[in-house]
Amino acid sequence: GAGVSQSPSNKVTEKGKDVELRCDPISGHTALYWYRQSLGQGLEFLIYFQGNSAPDKSGLPSDRFSAERTGGSVSTLTIQRTQQEDSAVYLCASSLEGVTDTQYFGPGTRLTVL
Amino acid sequence: EDKVVQSPLSLVVHEGDTVTLNCSYEVTNFRSLLWYKQEKKAPTFLFMLTSSGIEKKSGRLSSILDKKELFSILNITATQTGDSAVYLCAVERSGNQFYFGTGTSLTVIP
Repeated sequence: GAGVSQSPSNKVTEKGKDVELRCDPISGHTALYWYRQSLGQGLEFLIYFQGNSAPDKSGLPSDRFSAERTGGSVSTLTIQRTQQEDSAVYLCASSLEGVTDTQYFGPGTRLTVL
Repeated sequence: EDKVVQSPLSLVVHEGDTVTLNCSYEVTNFRSLLWYKQEKKAPTFLFMLTSSGIEKKSGRLSSILDKKELFSILNITATQTGDSAVYLCAVERSGNQFYFGTGTSLTVIP
């Protein structure tokens, strides 16, 4: 079946612009995760959605970052007023019910802020 | 401060060798420890460990957790060139927070 998809695969933007990253989880998966991986860094957890529950936003790097999940399915990660340090690969994953289930990762969005 | 430390940072072995990767952690309200294999951009889930002393095994890979000494090991036996990757350890704490180590880069030489 279809896996987790993300769009765009690559995004180049200018400093100060807003960007929106999209994640389509596997159909039927109630849990959705956003991660970020910067060059030479480990995987950084950003935010986790479980069903319709309000997510814990404390993992987001700054208040320029926000995330939504509409209808318990598609999620968007928005970065406002992008900075060069936001350049990274943004990964989305989904799992069937929660964190005890296998997480299936999407291919990622490579964001470059000039 | 919560942290996850992996060692070694990198490792080069020959095909057929056995390797042991280490992950130690200091995380409050521990819930689980996860191992991932990362090739290119997207990590592949390997194991989730929640209980001490219970080995999880998948083919040539196995892992075990020690919650008293706060570490986990990932073993790979009879390594193959396809095992070359970065292996990530992550610890989940309550409140749906994850902490990742910087990974161990494994290179298997034919």
